[in-house]
Amino acid sequence: EVQLVESGGGLVQPGGSLRLSCVASGFTFSSHSMHWVRQAPGKGLVWVSCMKGDGSFTAFADSVKGRFAISRDNAKNTLYLQMNSLTAEDTGVYYCTRGPTTVASPADYWGQGTLVAVSS
Amino acid sequence: QTVVTQEPSFSVSPGGTVTLTCALSSGSVSTSYYPSWYQQTPGQAPRTLIYNTNIRSSGVPDRFSGSILGNKAALTITGAQADDECFYYCVLSMGSGTWVFGGGTQLTVL
Repeated sequence: EVQLVESGGGLVQPGGSLRLSCVASGFTFSSHSMHWVRQAPGKGLVWVSCMKGDGSFTAFADSVKGRFAISRDNAKNTLYLQMNSLTAEDTGVYYCTRGPTTVASPADYWGQGTLVAVSS
Repeated sequence: QTVVTQEPSFSVSPGGTVTLTCALSSGSVSTSYYPSWYQQTPGQAPRTLIYNTNIRSSGVPDRFSGSILGNKAALTITGAQADDECFYYCVLSMGSGTWVFGGGTQLTVL
């Protein structure tokens, strides 16, 4: 069974940093691109970032470019999102998603999400 | 910046058919945008319904189908049920590995 479990969310002050983790199980982690998608309270989904299975390619939404970094440790089946210079607009639930191998898509499976709150 | 547009809300009668759409602020949606569709009940993680225009995700009933209609991506739900009442989101590939979600459609079944 595919499982994605996010952690690392919490309350952080504006300008602060936070690192999210997503532990994957039930599939060959290194074969899949992985993505982060966020959702502000009461708002819609926003794609944030992705990394190819072998770590050779990354992409970011313009709203986080230069502030967020994505990485993965395939030996630990773990995806990370390092978030710096956080603002209130970064508040929301952050979902880790798995990209399917055979077609282009940001998500076939979703984690349950971890909540990030940026506030003083 | 490219905006992906969905109907903010839609209503369908139980047992009825509804088509939700996903459009670009400029240009037409084609299969080259690899549209995907997701379903979300408030407080829950999204669930994948459709990817690559018309491929149903595992376990998704064939009441849900994806297509390109004119210049938009479309999600059609047939035989609408009460538990179809939730939010639906589309996402499109913008190239260079980036994706943009639509604002979502709140579907009411009544």
